[in-house]
Amino acid sequence: GQNIDQPTEMTATEGAIVQINCTYQTSGFNGLFWYQQHAGEAPTFLSYNVLDGLEEKGRFSSFLSRSKGYSYLLLKELQMKDSASYLCAVRVPTGGGNKLTFGTGTQLKVEL
Amino acid sequence: DSGVTQTPKHLITATGQRVTLRCSPRSGDLSVYWYQQSLDQGLQFLIQYYNGEERAKGNILERFSAQQFPDLHSELNLSSLELGDSALYFCASSAGLAGGYEQFFGPGTRLTVL
Repeated sequence: GQNIDQPTEMTATEGAIVQINCTYQTSGFNGLFWYQQHAGEAPTFLSYNVLDGLEEKGRFSSFLSRSKGYSYLLLKELQMKDSASYLCAVRVPTGGGNKLTFGTGTQLKVEL
Repeated sequence: DSGVTQTPKHLITATGQRVTLRCSPRSGDLSVYWYQQSLDQGLQFLIQYYNGEERAKGNILERFSAQQFPDLHSELNLSSLELGDSALYFCASSAGLAGGYEQFFGPGTRLTVL
């Protein structure tokens, strides 16, 4: 089976840094993704890791340790617009294709 | 705007009915994925098509079916609808079967079953 765990909710202050953790146990691994989703809207791609280490992309960074089944998303210089759900997803080979298995998301609230 | 389009945006129907959701992928993308998102279940993968062929299947009910047409647009058919089928249905596309790793999501169709 597939299991992806991330905290349900987090609160942080505008201008601060927040780290959202994700642990996973999946039958196969073909990359880990982070998506941002505002309520009622489509998920939008933030980052992708397939090798161990840190990927930096502006205010967002993502880290992966495949041996530990662990990833985190780091958001710097938080802005109010960063209040959203952050979804961790693992791409798992399935049959002749791939599927993304998503965690239930971490609802981040950014406060003044 | 991801370049993926979905119609209709909202759909309200009754239990027992059948509906069809439509998705047009980004220009050049051959893979189409369907997802269901309900409040208590999060985002669940349903099915993947690549260049007209079914490639991967997730937690898709037997009452649901999908297809991808020669022009690469895809339709998700939901039949014998139940109250629990009320959810947001997203379509996503990517360039290849596994490469072109990023999936781009459409705006979704909100289905309400009364």
